[in-house]
Amino acid sequence: SQTIHQWPATLVQPVGSPLSLECTVEGTSNPNLYWYRQAAGRGLQLLFYSVGIGQISSEVPQNLSASRPQDRQFILSSKKLLLSDSGFYLCAWRITGATDTQYFGPGTRLTVL
Amino acid sequence: SQQGEEDPQALSIQEGENATMNCSYKTSINNLQWYRQNSGRGLVHLILIRSNEREKHSGRLRVTLDTSKKSSSLLITASRAADTASYFCATDGGRGSTLGRLYFGRGTQLTVWP
Repeated sequence: SQTIHQWPATLVQPVGSPLSLECTVEGTSNPNLYWYRQAAGRGLQLLFYSVGIGQISSEVPQNLSASRPQDRQFILSSKKLLLSDSGFYLCAWRITGATDTQYFGPGTRLTVL
Repeated sequence: SQQGEEDPQALSIQEGENATMNCSYKTSINNLQWYRQNSGRGLVHLILIRSNEREKHSGRLRVTLDTSKKSSSLLITASRAADTASYFCATDGGRGSTLGRLYFGRGTQLTVWP
């Protein structure tokens, strides 16, 4: 069966510090991968998606970036965090070419102080 | 915006009662999905209904879709305290949308009191 992992679960970082959040998927090959951000009490905002290794599409201009160094690994990064980067970050995957159902990881709670 | 919008934003009921949440969207769709999120957790897929379907059941869940009104409803029957969570609808944006991209609403916060 497929599983998706995210780490860390929680993170508190000072403004201006770098960021690296990791997401890995097990049990599937060539998934579509997605990074979302959820502000408190709000819906999900799609940040990045990837249809393959090294292929990244950005939905929202910001100081975040994403990379996909391996088929089942998706990384969200920042060189310098802003206060507005605080939120709940969710990674999701989808079987390429199948239904649009996405499967979500447990999320990372990021607080920028 | 292509996002769905859930209504109401918050719903509070007693155990045993039915809970109905609505979702409206603006564009054509191929399918619509409902997800559940417990506080501080990831989203869990509940049910998917295709644009050519009008109603779908899964256990205590019943989803309806009216493409002419661009709306959907999620009914949870005989609610339990464990159903307390946020519920989101998500649409695919229809033909021409980025493959696999979903558009989420802001969700309905359901509280079921024991």
